[in-house]
Amino acid sequence: EIVLTQSPATLSLSPGERATLSCRASQSVSSYLAWYQQKPGQAPRLLIYDASNRATGIPARFSGSGSGTDFTLTISSLEPEDFAVYYCQQRSNWPPLTFGQGTRLEIK
Amino acid sequence: QLQLQESGPGLVKPSETLSLTCTVSGGSISSSSYYWGWIRQPPGKGLEWIGSIYYSGSTYYNPSLKSRVTISVDTSKNQFSLKLSSVTAADTAVYYCTGIAVAGTHDYWGQGTLVTVSS
Repeated sequence: EIVLTQSPATLSLSPGERATLSCRASQSVSSYLAWYQQKPGQAPRLLIYDASNRATGIPARFSGSGSGTDFTLTISSLEPEDFAVYYCQQRSNWPPLTFGQGTRLEIK
Repeated sequence: QLQLQESGPGLVKPSETLSLTCTVSGGSISSSSYYWGWIRQPPGKGLEWIGSIYYSGSTYYNPSLKSRVTISVDTSKNQFSLKLSSVTAADTAVYYCTGIAVAGTHDYWGQGTLVTVSS
């Protein structure tokens, strides 16, 4: 099973700042890495697929990069609605599909 | 635009079987474009993939749950279902049904349903 480790666990930033979230895989997942955003009481929403492709309707301030074992989600300038929990998910070697433990992005 | 809706009991007794159904609207569950499946989230915790089924009937389960899980499809009702046997309190979670595009480019989620395991 591929283990995904996200860092940091919590990120405290202000609106307008740049956010950088990391996801590291225990073995290569090539580019088969997705990022999700989850707000309280809601289902997760797909932001990025295949490491760097924005899903339909996702604002350009969200970008993904990386391949192999190290991946980054960047939010260029935080909007108030971006404060949420973010998960990475690998789709390379499944079953099982696996998720990281999440990064909570909170308002400073 | 697909819509998915979970249904089933919100309370299950320990050692019994949890049964949930997901109704798909706006498209056919027989589509070759999606994997249909279930993901759960214990209160205050992260996401855990339970398993998926393809239109061909092929199933894929999380090894940690495989001995207790069955996912099946009812094409006549455009539904798929989850059965999880011998539940314990550790199975208390919000259960989401999902349709994940084979190409990985998009997915659909139900709103989630909280299932509590308690006597």
